[in-house]
Amino acid sequence: GQQLNQSPQSMFIQEGEDVSMNCTSSSIFNTWLWYKQDPGEGPVLLIALYKAGELTSNGRLTAQFGITRKDSFLNISASIPSDVGIYFCAGQRGSWGKLQFGAGTQVVVTP
Amino acid sequence: SAVISQKPSRDICQRGTSLTIQCQVDSQVTMMFWYRQQPGQSLTLIATANQGSEATYESGFVIDKFPISRPNLTFSTLTVSNMSPEDSSIYLCSVEDKGAGETQYFGPGTRLLVL
Repeated sequence: GQQLNQSPQSMFIQEGEDVSMNCTSSSIFNTWLWYKQDPGEGPVLLIALYKAGELTSNGRLTAQFGITRKDSFLNISASIPSDVGIYFCAGQRGSWGKLQFGAGTQVVVTP
Repeated sequence: SAVISQKPSRDICQRGTSLTIQCQVDSQVTMMFWYRQQPGQSLTLIATANQGSEATYESGFVIDKFPISRPNLTFSTLTVSNMSPEDSSIYLCSVEDKGAGETQYFGPGTRLLVL
């Protein structure tokens, strides 16, 4: 069963605001991944994290791999309408293979 | 990253029938996976498609219901057998090139509705 707890479940924010979401687990993961899924599409990889404590940015996105290897967060700065979608965290125990997904965070951006 | 395509992109099927979904990658990859995403839910791994051998299924998924083929390093199929309305989901393939410093990428998905 699912072992990743992702929060919040949904967020309604105004354009220009920052967004923060996180995932926690009772188990250690060696890799944390963050994906975004638009309606009718497959998940698109946003950021991959491979080392405990790693902080990585991709444009307005910033993600961190927790020191305990049991958590990760994703921040989106200065949100824009195209940030709307469902964001998923995923943990990977080894350096490759099976992903365990969080339940997703639905982001809605209002003008 | 690899470019992944899936066929069909969507289908409406009658209960009791079977549907085979194809996943094609534009380059050779080590690993291919099949996931299911039920309506409004997250993704759950069905199985790892192994080239030249039987797929490795996750708990709750069996070969008779979800037979998988992987004849080469760029192609895999997933069949949803003897379908029921509960099989209505998005089915996604993903690929990962082990040892190449890459991570897992997803295809666009196949949207299946079973009536």
